[in-house]
Amino acid sequence: AQSVTQLGSHVSVSEGALVLLRCNYSSSVPPYLFWYVQYPNQGLQLLLKYTTGATLVKGINGFEAEFKKSETSFHLTKPSAHMSDAAEYFCAVSDEYGGSQGNLIFGKGTKLSVKP
Amino acid sequence: NAGVMQNPRHLVRRRGQEARLRCSPMKGHSHVYWYRQLPEEGLKFMVYLQKENIIDESGMPKERFSAEFPKEGPSILRIQQVVRGDSAAYFCASSPNSGVLYEQYFGPGTRLTVT
Repeated sequence: AQSVTQLGSHVSVSEGALVLLRCNYSSSVPPYLFWYVQYPNQGLQLLLKYTTGATLVKGINGFEAEFKKSETSFHLTKPSAHMSDAAEYFCAVSDEYGGSQGNLIFGKGTKLSVKP
Repeated sequence: NAGVMQNPRHLVRRRGQEARLRCSPMKGHSHVYWYRQLPEEGLKFMVYLQKENIIDESGMPKERFSAEFPKEGPSILRIQQVVRGDSAAYFCASSPNSGVLYEQYFGPGTRLTVT
């Protein structure tokens, strides 16, 4: 069965600094991988997703993630943090090959704080 | 185009009462997913429905929980005889079709508190 581990429940960076949020997955089949962002009292919003093809995926708001099969990782990065990036970020994997139903398995989330 | 709507946003129930959570998908979406988020946890899949059909309820507790998505009206997640452990945020998501290639759009959630 698939699973997702997010290292670090809280990450704090200074404005303008690199953002790195870590995600490792476990899957017996080629996974589909996702990053979602959740602002306070709001639903989740899709940042980016990897299905097939290019392993470096670019998303909204300047975020990108790289699928590394050998490391079973899908870390999220952004070169320069902005105050508006403060939110909770969730990594997710589809729960079956091809994701024919679309059920997602989520990590526990990482809360990102951005200091001025 | 309105997004996914959930109501109520906050719901307080005493132990033993019933909780009804509603989800109106985006216009044109006929697929609905329900997830539960316990404190300090990620979202956990509960149930996947299409109009008038439950496709996958493998994540839903066998007792006290039920879900429906009628031909007309919102999807309903019903929890009977609530217990303190049911306190959580419940999110629904909708998509235009099944499969992860179709983005799931999430509602703002219903935060259930059981006292």
